[in-house]
Amino acid sequence: GENVEQHPSTLSVQEGDSAVIKCTYSDSASNYFPWYKQELGKGPQLIIDIRSNVGEKKDQRIAVTLNKTAKHFSLHITETQPEDSAVYFCAAHLSSNTGKLIFGQGTTLQVKP
Amino acid sequence: DTEVTQTPKHLVMGMTNKKSLKCEQHMGHRAMYWYKQKAKKPPELMFVYSYEKLSINESVPSRFSPECPNSSLLNLHLHALQPEDSALYLCASSLMTGPLGGELFFGEGSRLTVL
Repeated sequence: GENVEQHPSTLSVQEGDSAVIKCTYSDSASNYFPWYKQELGKGPQLIIDIRSNVGEKKDQRIAVTLNKTAKHFSLHITETQPEDSAVYFCAAHLSSNTGKLIFGQGTTLQVKP
Repeated sequence: DTEVTQTPKHLVMGMTNKKSLKCEQHMGHRAMYWYKQKAKKPPELMFVYSYEKLSINESVPSRFSPECPNSSLLNLHLHALQPEDSALYLCASSLMTGPLGGELFFGEGSRLTVL
């Protein structure tokens, strides 16, 4: 079955630095890759997503890149701020028309002021 | 309104109790989901409803019983739970199922403790 591996599990950066989180997936038929941010005591919230026909997508300080050949996608956060501190989950959606998202194990990002 | 509302926020129950978790959305979404999340782990899919019909049951024990009374409401009935069922239960919704189904909106979750 589909598997998504996410690294690192924890990441600590200084405010203003960049943060990069990487994920690999196993099912080459996966075609939709969302990233979620989960703050303490809250549900996950979509921050950016990318589809398999696109290599890169950017939204202000957040960008996602996708390498279909390597089955690898990454989240890039530039100019990090303390409010970026949270747990980030990558996910991959199976190509079939089901509701199943496969989540990575999560990365706890700490941005130090 | 882009909210998924879950009640209660916290629930403590004994192993012989019967309780229910409720979820509501008014975004016109036709896909609704229950996820279970343990501390420091990703959400695990339990059930998917598509157009008020159960489309996915991820081999969840029968002590968890989902119900979708209408397109806006989703319930999770709990009976004879075990302490290991203690977790955050997340409800989510999307326009439809599938990769073209749009963004998945999560509620804040119901934190369940089974004594």
